[in-house]
Amino acid sequence: AQTVTQSQPEMSVQEAETVTLSCTYDTSESDYYLFWYKQPPSRQMILVIRQEAYKQQNATENRFSVNFQKAAKSFSLKISDSQLGDAAMYFCAYRAVLYGNKLVFGAGTILRVKS
Amino acid sequence: GAVVSQHPSRVICKSGTSVKIECRSLDFQATTMFWYRQFPKQSLMLMATSNEGSKATYEQGVEKDKFLINHASLTLSTLTVTSAHPEDSSFYICSAGVGQVPPFAFFGQGTRLTVV
Repeated sequence: AQTVTQSQPEMSVQEAETVTLSCTYDTSESDYYLFWYKQPPSRQMILVIRQEAYKQQNATENRFSVNFQKAAKSFSLKISDSQLGDAAMYFCAYRAVLYGNKLVFGAGTILRVKS
Repeated sequence: GAVVSQHPSRVICKSGTSVKIECRSLDFQATTMFWYRQFPKQSLMLMATSNEGSKATYEQGVEKDKFLINHASLTLSTLTVTSAHPEDSSFYICSAGVGQVPPFAFFGQGTRLTVV
């Protein structure tokens, strides 16, 4: 079974600084997708960034980038120039191509941004 | 981006009654929708996969008779919590996928259910 592990229950970052959230996963599949979702206090799930496993290049979306290490099954999220609006719960998620659109989520990391 | 609308956002019901939550894909057709349950400060737990025109697929440990799912059209899935009890109080979220590649999943706003 696929599992997603986020080992950091909480993280803090100073405004304008950089923070990295960790995520590891376990799978025997070779074709899959990885995602980071943000859940602010409103609880609306927002897609932050995605990575296809077959792509070696790390995905980047503005201030958000990932470090995808396929052999190590690691998928960390780097947030640069942190803003107060980045404060939220962040979930790492996995989806195997063979199993439809079913997502497996990690436990989440609460990110606090200090002004 | 694609929009998934979930209604109601909050509902309070009496113990023993049933409550229906709707999940609509507003600008795309979703053959598959997913229902999650989330407890405070915890992750999303997949409850079931809703398939248009066929029976839902429930995850292990989820009571299919308590959590009735209907996916009657390509844009609407409903979750009915039957004979609700206080322990059913939770945050329920639906999601729908758009396409296969890339496999975006968009989420509804969630429904906070309180059973009193």
